[in-house]
Amino acid sequence: QKEVEQDPGPLSVPEGAIVSLNCTYSNSAFQYFMWYRQYSRKGPELLMYTYSSGNKEDGRFTAQVDKSSKYISLFIRDSQPSDSATYLCAMYEDYGGATNKLIFGTGTLLAVQP
Amino acid sequence: KAGVTQTPRYLIKTRGQQVTLSCSPISGHRSVSWYQQTPGQGLQFLFEYFSETQRNKGNFPGRFSGRQFSNSRSEMNVSTLELGDSALYLCASSKETGGHTEAFFGQGTRLTVV
Repeated sequence: QKEVEQDPGPLSVPEGAIVSLNCTYSNSAFQYFMWYRQYSRKGPELLMYTYSSGNKEDGRFTAQVDKSSKYISLFIRDSQPSDSATYLCAMYEDYGGATNKLIFGTGTLLAVQP
Repeated sequence: KAGVTQTPRYLIKTRGQQVTLSCSPISGHRSVSWYQQTPGQGLQFLFEYFSETQRNKGNFPGRFSGRQFSNSRSEMNVSTLELGDSALYLCASSKETGGHTEAFFGQGTRLTVV
């Protein structure tokens, strides 16, 4: 079993829809969570960075963390064709604060249709 | 503020050769991590350098090595290239180590081994 599970999609939605992207993880030691957007042939772009359980909002994006269920989500409101990309969840292995090693999900490919 | 700069963007090498990739982190960032991204395995951690010291190493053969200079710039080297080393190599820049600061990625170096 992988440490981080993410549905690879592809996920196709009409423009203006609310998109829900999710990851589950198995290691309760994970404390810090990030969402990245990656366009084809580009590097990942940091969208959201969260630590505690609860919600964090930034514009059309909301990140949600539920540590009790080991489940994180990214919601995109009013989705646009420019949101079409692969979305990656990532979390730090934080064993006593010794390293910055990130564990990634496989990524979900999102297509927003005009 | 300049982002993370990786050079070169593209490389084509022959099996058995060696290659050196370069990463300049965001100004003021002292941690540089390297990742390999392939369609089959996704993003996998190679190693992290902080203040010129390797902090952690992923599960890759010894052909993969790296270093960090006093100005925080980092290089990674792959010797005796194999076809399976073809991938997008990404570096991530963070202010500190310890798994609690944001990680920003460069655009990557796409390596093709023929």
